[in-house]
Amino acid sequence: VQLVESGGGLVQPGRSLRVSCTASGFTFGDYAMSWVRQAPGKGLEWVGYIRSKAYGATTEYAASVKGRFSISTDASEYIAYLQMNNLKTEDTAVYYCSRARGVRCSGATCYSTYFDSWGQGTRVTVSS
Amino acid sequence: DIVMTQTPLSLSVTPGQPASISCKSSQSLLHSDGKTYLYWYLQRPGQSPQLLIYEVSSRFSGVPDRFSGSGSGTDFTLKISRVEAEDVGVYYCMQAIQLPPWTFGQGTKVEIK
Repeated sequence: VQLVESGGGLVQPGRSLRVSCTASGFTFGDYAMSWVRQAPGKGLEWVGYIRSKAYGATTEYAASVKGRFSISTDASEYIAYLQMNNLKTEDTAVYYCSRARGVRCSGATCYSTYFDSWGQGTRVTVSS
Repeated sequence: DIVMTQTPLSLSVTPGQPASISCKSSQSLLHSDGKTYLYWYLQRPGQSPQLLIYEVSSRFSGVPDRFSGSGSGTDFTLKISRVEAEDVGVYYCMQAIQLPPWTFGQGTKVEIK
């Protein structure tokens, strides 16, 4: 399993940026994917999640990014995307993509429960 | 959201000695399916996180058996039986009972004396 993030960089507040995660070594379409970020000198913060196609490819987002960030995948290219709009200085972080494993369902809604493989991360700096 | 609280926040250990990290959750992590959704990760310096333990006590593939997890309900512990130099880094616990969000502890930094 290999996950490689790309697309990070310096961006001004209010602008947009899309980062990518290219996967290899597993059947990408069979897995959910997630994005986790780490601000400088801080801990881990979950950002967003996309279910596999088998579970509807629906998404979930942290409250801090909901309405501004969106996740999508291109199963044919084995790529997951994190589109970040209206960026704020507090979005400055290293962004990691991860493969999500396990399934837990509550009623009709299912979630992966853990992240078993992570990329090396891509750094996003939001500053004027 | 469930809050995960780790103690201590830092730990200095002599090689070959044991180490223990505590993680407490603000709500029980025991699901009605009988599983407890508590995980441990290690982030070595300059690296991305790696999964060590899933569902409280199961070691992930390739994780040395000097790592062990225990606990139930809201109180959990990660133990390293004999610390080695490669165990240096920041350890995080994570919950997956009440989603979203997946939430992590603040991290415990382990260094070698």
